[in-house]
Amino acid sequence: KQEVTQIPAALSVPEGENLVLNCSFTDSAIYNLQWFRQDPGKGLTSLLLIQSSQREQTSGRLNASLDKSSGRSTLYIAASQPGDSATYLCAVGAEGGSQGNLIFGKGTKLSVKP
Amino acid sequence: NAGVTQTPKFQVLKTGQSMTLQCAQDMNHEYMSWYRQDPGMGLRLIHYSVGAGITDQGEVPNGYNVSRSTTEDFPLRLLSAAPSQTSVYFCASSGRSYGYTFGSGTRLTVV
Repeated sequence: KQEVTQIPAALSVPEGENLVLNCSFTDSAIYNLQWFRQDPGKGLTSLLLIQSSQREQTSGRLNASLDKSSGRSTLYIAASQPGDSATYLCAVGAEGGSQGNLIFGKGTKLSVKP
Repeated sequence: NAGVTQTPKFQVLKTGQSMTLQCAQDMNHEYMSWYRQDPGMGLRLIHYSVGAGITDQGEVPNGYNVSRSTTEDFPLRLLSAAPSQTSVYFCASSGRSYGYTFGSGTRLTVV
């Protein structure tokens, strides 16, 4: 059974710092991996999607990498800002027909202090 | 482009009542899913659909029913509400090779 783990569970950094959020998964047979952001009381906003054949994706100050063989993904946030404060969720999509099955980690709660 | 629309946004039910959570997407996506989010448990898959007329169970399907008569709509039915179903419910959709788009959620309280 696929399991997704995110470390750390919470992170507090000063504004301007570069930071890395980690995601690991137990089964390397994934279809894709997606990073989401969730603000308190709100829905999920997609940040980056990495297909299983890709190694990384970039969007603005965000860069996500994927290493299927080791079962790891990282989300790099450059020059963090207070507006980046949110919970970041990693989710893996299953390979094959059950592509409706996203398995989520429990998230990393990020706080960026001014 | 509305994306994924969920209604209602908030709902209070009494134990034993039934209701339907609505989900609609306008992106012609094949895949649609329902998740519930609980503190300490994360997001868990309830039911999903890979196309109109096709549904399957996820991790926590008990007490819920779904159908997919059209590509656009994927309603979630609570058959007889229980306090354990108090949660935030999210609907999501995805096209082939595309990532998932989530609705804004329905906050359900069962008293």
